[in-house]
Amino acid sequence: DAKTTQPNSMESNEEEPVHLPCNHSTISGTDYIHWYRQLPSQGPEYVIHGLTSNVNNRMASLAIAEDRKSSTLILHRATLRDAAVYYCILRAGNSGNTPLVFGKGTRLSVIA
Amino acid sequence: GAGVSQSPSNKVTEKGKDVELRCDPISGHTALYWYRQSLGQGLEFLIYFQGNSAPDKSGLPSDRFSAERTGGSVSTLTIQRTQQEDSAVYLCASSLRTKGHQETQYFGPGTRLLVL
Repeated sequence: DAKTTQPNSMESNEEEPVHLPCNHSTISGTDYIHWYRQLPSQGPEYVIHGLTSNVNNRMASLAIAEDRKSSTLILHRATLRDAAVYYCILRAGNSGNTPLVFGKGTRLSVIA
Repeated sequence: GAGVSQSPSNKVTEKGKDVELRCDPISGHTALYWYRQSLGQGLEFLIYFQGNSAPDKSGLPSDRFSAERTGGSVSTLTIQRTQQEDSAVYLCASSLRTKGHQETQYFGPGTRLLVL
């Protein structure tokens, strides 16, 4: 899987939007962009994934650059419960059930 | 429905002893994974099982580590002759379908292992 680069940490105020960036300049045409997050003392949980078009779900939005070399996870209104480590992961198009390759992720702190 | 469960939630053992960690995946999930997260380290893949295929053991750090999956469901990760560097959180995950889909992995809460 191609490599991703994320800031080590970010901080946000509660109830404000958060934009978590991820660079993946070596992404291939068939790689999907996945985001997982890990809340304190819990296992990771799936957030969202996409290929080319922007994606929305109940948890977040994923904005993918036109050249696909970067993407941004958007939390529309951060809450204290969103404090976690967020991982941006690339998966090959036919990877199906292969293991996830986690980087160091971005530790998001949310301030009340 | 029930998520992935792991037991025990915490395990303290003495160096040199063997330990067994258990994972109950989500019912019907064909793939099961073990990962390890050491203090200050990222998540690293250990082993994964896909249906009836031979497991991918490429992430196991040494031959002291082994895992089995009985009946395509429950899995046990065994660490023999534990060392202090084995202290970590061991996470299990499962996912549903087969190759060709971008399957979500569902993680359990982990087993926190401390080797004294």
